[in-house]
Amino acid sequence: DSGVTQTPKHLITATGQRVTLRCSPRSGDLSVYWYQQSLDQGLQFLIQYYNGEERAKGNILERFSAQQFPDLHSELNLSSLELGDSALYFCASSVSGGASEQFFGPGTRLTVL
Amino acid sequence: GQQLNQSPQSMFIQEGEDVSMNCTSSSIFNTWLWYKQDPGEGPVLLIALYKAGELTSNGRLTAQFGITRKDSFLNISASIPSDVGIYFCAGRSRSDNNDMRFGAGTRLTVKP
Repeated sequence: DSGVTQTPKHLITATGQRVTLRCSPRSGDLSVYWYQQSLDQGLQFLIQYYNGEERAKGNILERFSAQQFPDLHSELNLSSLELGDSALYFCASSVSGGASEQFFGPGTRLTVL
Repeated sequence: GQQLNQSPQSMFIQEGEDVSMNCTSSSIFNTWLWYKQDPGEGPVLLIALYKAGELTSNGRLTAQFGITRKDSFLNISASIPSDVGIYFCAGRSRSDNNDMRFGAGTRLTVKP
């Protein structure tokens, strides 16, 4: 158990809908990262937050957005969903925003029908 | 962003055999990490490397940060069935804003 929690574990929805994925980092970690993993693919970095502020942006679509709240939990919002958005979405956390180890949550499996 | 080349893409080995996989980059990295992912679960950190030439072990796993700072390898000795999974390398490069980049993964199958 990494100490990072994600909810929900599974999510099934229809095209065009909007969903919110939630992540709570390990106790003491200030930075949260979001990754997308499509079937049999590697991890694609989406976005990073550090202490409530956006720190780095990766290959995140404009239909996707995220935020980190004062209690350091983070939410990833996915809107106007398409079939190709079906994937595993992982959250990771680290102590700082720099060159430190990331610890991953169990992921949310999103299925868009 | 920076791409990591991880090889091999997959491996099929017999229980008890040793395994080696590696990652290379075209630019210098200041951190190398190795993760293992079981099906349907999040990656779990195995080994972190922070200095060129560093050799670190974690049980039967050994990883090294290449002297050129452009590569890293992971060795697994005396493999067992529970070693099955996907192994990812990851690294950070100052030339890439220190963003973490992941290799495409090595899928390991261990036959009993």
